[in-house]
Amino acid sequence: GENVEQHPSTLSVQEGDSAVIKCTYSDSASNYFPWYKQELGKGPQLIIDIRSNVGEKKDQRIAVTLNKTAKHFSLHITETQPEDSAVYFCAAEDWPGTYKYIFGTGTRLKVLA
Amino acid sequence: DARVTQTPRHKVTEMGQEVTMRCQPILGHNTVFWYRQTMMQGLELLAYFRNRAPLDDSGMPKDRFSAEMPDATLATLKIQPSEPRDSAVYFCASGWGLVAVLQETQYFGPGTRLLVL
Repeated sequence: GENVEQHPSTLSVQEGDSAVIKCTYSDSASNYFPWYKQELGKGPQLIIDIRSNVGEKKDQRIAVTLNKTAKHFSLHITETQPEDSAVYFCAAEDWPGTYKYIFGTGTRLKVLA
Repeated sequence: DARVTQTPRHKVTEMGQEVTMRCQPILGHNTVFWYRQTMMQGLELLAYFRNRAPLDDSGMPKDRFSAEMPDATLATLKIQPSEPRDSAVYFCASGWGLVAVLQETQYFGPGTRLLVL
């Protein structure tokens, strides 16, 4: 089955700087890669996702890149703000069509004002 | 704004007691997931249903955990008897999907925070 590794586990950046979180996956058949943001006391919320037929996707200050050859994908947050502070999880589809995700272990992002 | 709802939000119980957690998926979604989140294990998939039928419950301790979908608007997760090691946050998520069709998003509920003393 799929295995997802996520780095770093913690990340501190100054407000206004960029933050990058990286994930690698093991199953080359995976086609779908969502990113979730989890704030304290809340459930994970989808912030962006990417499918295997796309190399990059942007939504305002958030972007995700996918390198299928190397089997890694990254989350990029530009112009970080204090409200970006949260735990971020990457995930990869387990087997195409199973609708199961394998989650990374999470990155705790702290944006320093 | 459609959301997944979960009840109760918090539960404190004593070891050996039965715990029932409920989830109302987003209307129209046909897939429901139960996850457990702990600091040590992260997000673990316990079980999931499609069109109310269990598809995979391999992540669930079978001797004490059970999951059901009595109807399309209600999913339940039961622990009997509960143990201190079951203390965690339990999330329900829902989505819409068909086998061999492009993945759709999973939407998470707010979670049930369980403490077993």
